[in-house]
Amino acid sequence: AQKVTQAQTEISVVEKEDVTLDCVYETRDTTYYLFWYKQPPSGELVFLIRRNSFDEQNEISGRYSWNFQKSTSSFNFTITASQVVDSAVYFCALSGTNTGNQFYFGTGTSLTVIP
Amino acid sequence: NAGVTQTPKFQVLKTGQSMTLQCAQDMNHEYMSWYRQDPGMGLRLIHYSVGAGITDQGEVPNGYNVSRSTTEDFPLRLLSAAPSQTSVYFCASSYRLKETQYFGPGTRLLVL
Repeated sequence: AQKVTQAQTEISVVEKEDVTLDCVYETRDTTYYLFWYKQPPSGELVFLIRRNSFDEQNEISGRYSWNFQKSTSSFNFTITASQVVDSAVYFCALSGTNTGNQFYFGTGTSLTVIP
Repeated sequence: NAGVTQTPKFQVLKTGQSMTLQCAQDMNHEYMSWYRQDPGMGLRLIHYSVGAGITDQGEVPNGYNVSRSTTEDFPLRLLSAAPSQTSVYFCASSYRLKETQYFGPGTRLLVL
């Protein structure tokens, strides 16, 4: 079975705090892909990152970083020094080589950054 | 490149009416899909297509039809609208399956 769990429904932080959004996945595939998308209040879905299962190196892009750990089936997303513009709903997604032709999305984490 | 476009942006229907949500992409992507987004439920796949002439059902296909006569277009048809179909609909495309999906701006549908 393929499943993505984002247990944090809503998070509020004060501006400049660091925040980590959790993503736990389930898959029987040995080759799979993980994604994060951002949905700001304007409603569009913005691609942030794609990682494949063979690349466990952490990734940093400006204030964003991602921690991929196969041992715990997690792909967590950290925002450092959060800003009001980071307020959005963030979705984690999974696509595997044997999942059929589908992406599996988590239910999302709504992040509010308070000025 | 316009990317993925969707029309209309907003639509109000009465129960029982039919309509077509349009989706087009100009990136020559093989894979296209339709999702609906409801509060607390994330994105749920309605239908998808891996190429022109090939479509298949996703997680929540009932009440919707699709066709893919060209690589660029992937319309979603509501056969007889019901209040349960009130939602935000997103179309997405990717070069191939498993590649990054790029989303359209969404269509907000209200069924009265």
